Amino acid sequence: DAKTTQPPSMDCAEGRAANLPCNHSTISGNEYVYWYRQIHSQGPQYIIHGLKNNETNEMASLIITEDRKSSTLILPHATLRDTAVYYCIVRYTGSSNTGKLIFGQGTTLQVKP
Amino acid sequence: DSGVTQTPKHLITATGQRVTLRCSPRSGDLSVYWYQQSLDQGLQFLIQYYNGEERAKGNILERFSAQQFPDLHSELNLSSLELGDSALYFCASSVNGISTDTQYFGPGTRLTVL
Repeated sequence: DAKTTQPPSMDCAEGRAANLPCNHSTISGNEYVYWYRQIHSQGPQYIIHGLKNNETNEMASLIITEDRKSSTLILPHATLRDTAVYYCIVRYTGSSNTGKLIFGQGTTLQVKP
Repeated sequence: DSGVTQTPKHLITATGQRVTLRCSPRSGDLSVYWYQQSLDQGLQFLIQYYNGEERAKGNILERFSAQQFPDLHSELNLSSLELGDSALYFCASSVNGISTDTQYFGPGTRLTVL
C-alpha cells in the first residue's frame, strides 16, 4: 500500500471550510484514497473515498489531483464537533488485498470558536 | 452509531490474566476486523475474519487469538496479559471483507492492565 503524508496538526475557525491535505506520491492506478476520522478515542468514522474523480457526500468533499499524487479533504462548514484526528489512507484494490486498513499518524484538526 | 457493537466498554485486569473481548458486526456484514490502538503504536491491524474463516493476520501477538462464530460475532482473546497490552481495541466490519468495502468501526473496548 502506498504511503501517505499528512501535516500533524491544523486549526480552522468555526464556520469556515477546513481543507486537509494528503500527499500520496507513490499511489498506483488501482489504489483508492480513503478518509476516516477519530473523535477523541471513539471508533474511527468513515468519511469518504475516491479513485480519481472528485467525490462529495453529506459529510465532505474529496478533491484528487489529476496525477493522483495528492488529495484534499474539504469540510465545507467546520463545527466544533469536527475536531478530530483525520486519517488519509491509500488502499490497494487488487485481488490479493484483504481490506485491512493501514493507519498513519493523521492530522489533528482543531476547530476553534 | 455504526451498527457495530463491542462489549465490554471498559476492562481492568491484572498482569498474567486472560480476557475476552466481543464484537457483533453490522447486520449483513460477513467480515470482522480487529485493531489495537496504543499511545505509542497508533492504530494497528491485528486480524481479519470472513464468514468464520481467518483471512488476514497483522501484528497480532501469539498470546492473542480470535475467532468468528457461525452467527458472525467475533471474540478476541488476550492471555498472559502484560502492562503493554493496555490499549483501545476496536472491531470493524464490512460486507465482503475485500478492499473495496467500507469498514465501519465499533466504539471500542478500553483495556487497562495493572
